[in-house]
Amino acid sequence: RKEVEQDPGPFNVPEGATVAFNCTYSNSASQSFFWYRQDCRKEPKLLMSVYSSGNEDGRFTAQLNRASQYISLLIRDSKLSDSATYLCVVTRLVSGYSSASKIIFGSGTRLSIRP
Amino acid sequence: NAGVTQTPKFQVLKTGQSMTLQCAQDMNHEYMSWYRQDPGMGLRLIHYSVGAGITDQGEVPNGYNVSRSTTEDFPLRLLSAAPSQTSVYFCASSFGTTTYNEQFFGPGTRLTVL
Repeated sequence: RKEVEQDPGPFNVPEGATVAFNCTYSNSASQSFFWYRQDCRKEPKLLMSVYSSGNEDGRFTAQLNRASQYISLLIRDSKLSDSATYLCVVTRLVSGYSSASKIIFGSGTRLSIRP
Repeated sequence: NAGVTQTPKFQVLKTGQSMTLQCAQDMNHEYMSWYRQDPGMGLRLIHYSVGAGITDQGEVPNGYNVSRSTTEDFPLRLLSAAPSQTSVYFCASSFGTTTYNEQFFGPGTRLTVL
């Protein structure tokens, strides 16, 4: 089982619709959570961080449920430009000499907005 | 700032050849990493580094070597290319050695191994 799981989609919705993605993670020691956006054949870019209290950035709302170990992303009033793959990202500490955090990416959910 | 740069953008290798993918960042980031992305598999961590002289293995390190002699550069070496290494390779960096910080990605290297 993958440590971070996402529905691969594709989600095909009309412009103006509201769409929601979920992501689940299996390691309860996970520390921080993000949503990244990746356009076709481009590099991923940070969309937003996800906090326990939930956070909103314009039409985008991210929520974290630590008890159930899932993260969600809600897009309201979707635009054609929202068409992309959305990657769920989770980090946790890695034991060892470097004591760094490990970043784990989900395989992404593809969203296509139609006119 | 150029951000994170990767060279080459495209590469075709024959099985058994070796090569080095270059990655450089000009943001003075301590944390650098290499990922490969395959269809349906998402981004998988190959190797990462928390500073010059320190590297560690990620999820899929076999067949790859890294070194970090300077803060700016983090090259990835393919020792003996295999068709299974056909993929898109992304280098990323972030400020600090924890990952609460935004990861900045390079544009990727598309590698085909015949």
